Amino acid sequence: DVKVTQSSRYLVKRTGEKVFLECVQDMDHENMFWYRQDPGLGLRLIYFSYDVKMKEKGDIPEGYSVSREKKERFSLILESASTNQTSMYLCASSLSLTGLSNEQFFGPGTRLTVL
Amino acid sequence: DAKTTQPNSMESNEEEPVHLPCNHSTISGTDYIHWYRQLPSQGPEYVIHGLTSNVNNRMASLAIAEDRKSSTLILHRATLRDAAVYYCILRDEGAGGTSYGKLTFGQGTILTVHP
Repeated sequence: DVKVTQSSRYLVKRTGEKVFLECVQDMDHENMFWYRQDPGLGLRLIYFSYDVKMKEKGDIPEGYSVSREKKERFSLILESASTNQTSMYLCASSLSLTGLSNEQFFGPGTRLTVL
Repeated sequence: DAKTTQPNSMESNEEEPVHLPCNHSTISGTDYIHWYRQLPSQGPEYVIHGLTSNVNNRMASLAIAEDRKSSTLILHRATLRDAAVYYCILRDEGAGGTSYGKLTFGQGTILTVHP
């Protein structure tokens, strides 16, 4: 089974701190995604990556950056955390972007609270 | 993006079939119909997807209307473990390279399964 792991289930940070959220997948997937999930807003795509060192903005990239130095690892970075970035963050991976193998496999999520 | 409409909530009894409807009247020819579900305190998980023909897998069946403007996810025998939020998503997999097969999650249907 594909496994997507996220470094923390719960994280509490202070406003202005730099925050790193790590995601690792073990199935050699090309594509990795970062979403945030908020009540009433559903899941929204922040960034995705289709190859090592490649990244594309999603729907809400402002305030975030990403890093993909190795195929299995995709990091989400909050350069200066703000209270409106308090959310559930979900990482996902997929073998391909389209076609038969494009289902996304999600990690368990990181609930980030910014005080 | 073409939109989907789902009921906010549905209820079922254990071991009974469940039919979860989804309307997508503005679906385009290159939109695949995807279903994901999210169990409590977990990330979403893929359930099934299809284009025109009905689809079956070990988790569920997907019935797609002939005009593709609606679809139904069928759980043949609901269990308590099937209690989750079910998302019906249209995913554009058209040629041209402008779409990266983005998943846009709406509010979904909260399925409650009674013992």
